[in-house]
Amino acid sequence: AQSVAQPEDQVNVAEGNPLTVKCTYSVSGNPYLFWYVQYPNRGLQFLLKYITGDNLVKGSYGFEAEFNKSQTSFHLKKPSALVSDSALYFCAVRVVNQAGTALIFGKGTTLSVSS
Amino acid sequence: ETGVTQTPRHLVMGMTNKKSLKCEQHLGHNAMYWYKQSAKKPLELMFVYNFKEQTENNSVPSRFSPECPNSSHLFLHLHTLQPEDSALYLCASSQGQWGTDTQYFGPGTRLTVL
Repeated sequence: AQSVAQPEDQVNVAEGNPLTVKCTYSVSGNPYLFWYVQYPNRGLQFLLKYITGDNLVKGSYGFEAEFNKSQTSFHLKKPSALVSDSALYFCAVRVVNQAGTALIFGKGTTLSVSS
Repeated sequence: ETGVTQTPRHLVMGMTNKKSLKCEQHLGHNAMYWYKQSAKKPLELMFVYNFKEQTENNSVPSRFSPECPNSSHLFLHLHTLQPEDSALYLCASSQGQWGTDTQYFGPGTRLTVL
């Protein structure tokens, strides 16, 4: 079955430290992968996506993600965390079904950055 | 964030009420989506419209009825809901429904069913 997994419900880091939010996927065909962030009482905001090309993708707010085909992972990273990065992060993957294409989302990882 | 707007932002309704959620996108996109976000659960895709035609109904109960009069507007009509339908309902749009296109989300409608 096609799926996406975020193994951590919560990630805690200190401000200024590097952060990683993990995502693994299982899809047929080439994966199209996305990261979104959700702040309290807000909708999801697009951070970055991998479609093809360079395995290291750079996105908004200093975030980046590395596509690793052998490990079927697409972990989100940032070299130096800010308190304002505290939010809920979703990984998503494109799937192809009878109706066409759609995104399926992981259950989300809460990132908490302490000062 | 003003690219996709949703109204109302909060809605409280009884199980016998009929209400509608509205979504409008100002991005010139052709595909629009309804998602349900419940606590402790992944986002659930409910409906997809592409060029005003419904292309996906993800086994959603008939008490939820979508309407897409044009590519810029999407409605979700609600009737005889259950308390378990309480959730954040998110609308999104993308240029096409081709998977590579980024989906842009509205702020959501927080629905409470009493």
